[in-house]
Amino acid sequence: SQTIHQWPATLVQPVGSPLSLECTVEGTSNPNLYWYRQAAGRGLQLLFYSVGIGQISSEVPQNLSASRPQDRQFILSSKKLLLSDSGFYLCAWNRGRLETQYFGPGTRLTVL
Amino acid sequence: AQKVTQAQTEISVVEKEDVTLDCVYETRDTTYYLFWYKQPPSGELVFLIRRNSFDEQNEISGRYSWNFQKSTSSFNFTITASQVVDSAVYFCALSYRGYALNFGKGTSLLVTP
Repeated sequence: SQTIHQWPATLVQPVGSPLSLECTVEGTSNPNLYWYRQAAGRGLQLLFYSVGIGQISSEVPQNLSASRPQDRQFILSSKKLLLSDSGFYLCAWNRGRLETQYFGPGTRLTVL
Repeated sequence: AQKVTQAQTEISVVEKEDVTLDCVYETRDTTYYLFWYKQPPSGELVFLIRRNSFDEQNEISGRYSWNFQKSTSSFNFTITASQVVDSAVYFCALSYRGYALNFGKGTSLLVTP
């Protein structure tokens, strides 16, 4: 069966520091991968998605970036965090267009 | 424009009551999918159901049931005989552009003993 992992689970970072969040999927190959952010107020916003290695689509302009160095690895990064980057970051995967997305456990980021 | 509206921000019920969570959507796509997810306090989104735009059959899974009506652009979720473990935030979502999900703002359900 497929599983999706995210780490770290929680992170507290000062403003201006770099960020690297990692997501990996097991038990499948060539998945579509997604990064969402859930800020206070509960709405989920799609940040990036990837349909293959090195292929990244950005949904929202911001100081975040994403990379997919391996088939089942998706990384969310920032060179300098802002207070507004605080939130709950969720990684998700699916097998293809219009297929169900399955979510990881999330990373709770607090920027102070 | 793609939009999902969950008008109920918070609902509180007593255990064993039935509760319906509303979801209204807007889309210009002729083929689309609708989803419901549950987010317990732990934070992880748990998939509940996926429904395509050509299938308006209602679905029942244990105490959960879903009513999809294209005529009113609604995809409502009913929990029968609610339990404390049903307490969570529930999200309705709509596919768009094939890859993304557009989520509603969620409904927080509290079931008290």
